[in-house]
Amino acid sequence: DQQVKQNSPSLSVQEGRISILNCDYTNSMFDYFLWYKKYPAEGPTFLISISSIKDKNEDGRFTVFLNKSAKHLSLHIVPSQPGDSAVYFCAAGSIWGAQKLVFGQGTRLTINP
Amino acid sequence: DTAVSQTPKYLVTQMGNDKSIKCEQNLGHDTMYWYKQDSKKFLKIMFSYNNKELIINETVPNRFSPKSPDKAHLNLHINSLELGDSAVYFCASSLPTSGAVVTGELFFGEGSRLTVL
Repeated sequence: DQQVKQNSPSLSVQEGRISILNCDYTNSMFDYFLWYKKYPAEGPTFLISISSIKDKNEDGRFTVFLNKSAKHLSLHIVPSQPGDSAVYFCAAGSIWGAQKLVFGQGTRLTINP
Repeated sequence: DTAVSQTPKYLVTQMGNDKSIKCEQNLGHDTMYWYKQDSKKFLKIMFSYNNKELIINETVPNRFSPKSPDKAHLNLHINSLELGDSAVYFCASSLPTSGAVVTGELFFGEGSRLTVL
């Protein structure tokens, strides 16, 4: 019973264009959401987060959008750069959940020159 | 200076053996975790310790025993290894949740790939 799902295992985008990664969740008790980026043979690194009281959070080229009614969030990267090629994990947690994060299975993003 | 370091990075062993993975963090965090990334690529929490005290135990078989000698270290010992234990195990640490400040940000190690033959 996966509470966080990333239904696209891979995505290929041309350099300079927008990359949009999607994530769906089922548990309405989640109240914060995060995106992590992972390069091969490295651990995931934190990218950006959003609280459930917001619908958008922006940090440079990265923007996360949250649609609570649809239980959906997305990560927008614009413009996409070759160094953005990595696996992106969506994660969700609850302030009552003892800091337990639930992760999706990741989307492999490839930026083509 | 690696913030969260795990050893070994690779481990190949036979079924039935016992093995340990060690983790150390130099970030001064109070909370440490073990996550497992299985063949389906989901990262799933196994254990969490806060200042040496177990706070999360996610229905992991009791062949898995975490040990936290101090808040900077969280080791994972696995007894009687099975084929299904093959996975990448990630250690992580975080600041404790404090009042209304919740970031959920975890700092991960590089992972330890365990292969059971």
